[in-house]
Amino acid sequence: GAGVSQSPSNKVTEKGKDVELRCDPISGHTALYWYRQSLGQGLEFLIYFQGNSAPDKSGLPSDRFSAERTGGSVSTLTIQRTQQEDSAVYLCASSSAGTGPPNTGELFFGEGSRLTVL
Amino acid sequence: GQNIDQPTEMTATEGAIVQINCTYQTSGFNGLFWYQQHAGEAPTFLSYNVLDGLEEKGRFSSFLSRSKGYSYLLLKELQMKDSASYLCAVRSSGGSYIPTFGRGTSLIVHP
Repeated sequence: GAGVSQSPSNKVTEKGKDVELRCDPISGHTALYWYRQSLGQGLEFLIYFQGNSAPDKSGLPSDRFSAERTGGSVSTLTIQRTQQEDSAVYLCASSSAGTGPPNTGELFFGEGSRLTVL
Repeated sequence: GQNIDQPTEMTATEGAIVQINCTYQTSGFNGLFWYQQHAGEAPTFLSYNVLDGLEEKGRFSSFLSRSKGYSYLLLKELQMKDSASYLCAVRSSGGSYIPTFGRGTSLIVHP
């Protein structure tokens, strides 16, 4: 697609339920990132994919959070047994491979999935 | 780890110039980004600095001093539509080159 697409755009769920958030990156982008943004806070890194593998998942806050990426494209972030503190906007970004010149490695973000846990 | 500081909020007048500062501490440096984020929207890329000096792009310029761990974003001829949050992000040279973001500076432009 032309840009990074995320779904759902809004999700309201009850505490204890599982949720899945989907990200469809820009075609050809091998790097994919998940961040979350709480009200008044900066972007908090969650997990990074290069292709289908996740060399850095250090930002996942607990074992209730997991993510996968298939076919080097679509990624799904799953939150099990949601808690109220999980409420945030979950942002996905993708970038082309390489971080050295001439690549800047800039991230292209989706509109995000706003999760509200009641 | 990384530590990135930027002011929480700034206000400026339409037509004026504003400078948003960002200081950082990182073990290894591999580039600094500025992003703009309007309320409820996705962050969008503004600029990238990896060498010392000024990068100019239209009304926006970004400066970097690696020795001082310092960058600024300069916005000229401010317009009302420039009211947004401006995010500074630093990429380290170790590990996976993942950008770490500051909390952002909320800029309010008034007539």
